[in-house]
Amino acid sequence: KNEVEQSPQNLTAQEGEFITINCSYSVGISALHWLQQHPGGGIVSLFMLSSGKKKHGRLIATINIQEKHSSLHITASHPRDSAVYICAVRSRTGNQFYFGTGTSLTVIP
Amino acid sequence: DSGVTQTPKHLITATGQRVTLRCSPRSGDLSVYWYQQSLDQGLQFLIQYYNGEERAKGNILERFSAQQFPDLHSELNLSSLELGDSALYFCASSVEWGGGETQYFGPGTRLLVL
Repeated sequence: KNEVEQSPQNLTAQEGEFITINCSYSVGISALHWLQQHPGGGIVSLFMLSSGKKKHGRLIATINIQEKHSSLHITASHPRDSAVYICAVRSRTGNQFYFGTGTSLTVIP
Repeated sequence: DSGVTQTPKHLITATGQRVTLRCSPRSGDLSVYWYQQSLDQGLQFLIQYYNGEERAKGNILERFSAQQFPDLHSELNLSSLELGDSALYFCASSVEWGGGETQYFGPGTRLLVL
């Protein structure tokens, strides 16, 4: 069983659409990270959350600790948002990271 | 450009060999993380160093070792290489701020074991 589950696995959207990617986890955590991996392989850290909600530009990330669930929203999606989005959690002890398998997003012009 | 550098970019070697991957963190970042990304296992956390000391240990094999030097650069040593060690190895450095941290990833080293 994976400690971190993401859905959907693949997502295709039209430019301008509102996008939601979901992440559920089964372990106690100290923090949750959302990462973006570009087609060339480079990884960018988008958010680190331990509670509540964060916003950066068109990206919004929320976390519900009680439900062990997080969502990443992209408003007004653009082709340059096409990437793999990965959810990762750091264990409560801080000794381990668990990664989701990623959501591959394609935004069509 | 994240400011984190990794060398080499690509490495091709044979089974049984030993290689060293190098990571230079962003100026001022005290923490360095190492991750492995393979096609079958996805991203895995290997190890974290903070200011020269090991802080957290993940799925790092006994054949692998790492260290962080006084100038804060880090090296990941992989020995007795097997075909399954072929992967992309990322390092990341981080800065901690009130209540959290931001990790900055290097471009990765692509290792191919033949």
